Amino acid sequence: GESVGLHLPTLSVQEGDNSIINCAYSNSASDYFIWYKQESGKGPQFIIDIRSNMDKRQGQRVTVLLNKTVKHLSLQIAATQPGDSAVYFCAESILTGGGNKLTFGTGTQLKVEL
Amino acid sequence: EPEVTQTPSHQVTQMGQEVILRCVPISNHLYFYWYRQILGQKVEFLVSFYNNEISEKSEIFDDQFSVERPDGSNFTLKIRSTKLEDSAMYFCASSEVRPDQPQHFGDGTRLSIL
Repeated sequence: GESVGLHLPTLSVQEGDNSIINCAYSNSASDYFIWYKQESGKGPQFIIDIRSNMDKRQGQRVTVLLNKTVKHLSLQIAATQPGDSAVYFCAESILTGGGNKLTFGTGTQLKVEL
Repeated sequence: EPEVTQTPSHQVTQMGQEVILRCVPISNHLYFYWYRQILGQKVEFLVSFYNNEISEKSEIFDDQFSVERPDGSNFTLKIRSTKLEDSAMYFCASSEVRPDQPQHFGDGTRLSIL
């Protein structure tokens, strides 16, 4: 079946460095992608999203890149801070008129070392 | 910033008992969702709800599950006869009318079935 998966389960970075979290998706029909951050004991927190008609989208300290040719999504965090330590999930969906079911990846644990 | 709120934060129930998980979505949102996350696994879609009816449901959402919007603010998930394998974190989410708007999640209810 279709699935969304993350390449690396754990990523350790030094404070101040840039982080890159990767995600592979397999459903070529997906046209909307979201990155969520989940801290311990909390629900997924929206970070940034991108539609399939875009290759790149920037937010505050975060950038999402979408490569539809190889079905790859990445999240770049600039100047990583200790508060960025969390599990990061990518999620994909197919936009319909009736709301969009999200299919989540397995998650990457980001650890920021001081 | 408006947020999705869920109660209770932790629910312990005997196997075979009914349980109701409650959610208050963001006030101007019209799409509502339930997801679950079994410990150590992915976040999984259960059901989406719009205009007082289910718009999509997953294979997990069998006859033991039901959702309801009993008034103008609450959105509930009922499990009629709980099983051990229903133990998980249950997340409620809501989104605006346009399908390309991100879903915002609550902090979840941890359901423990004994």
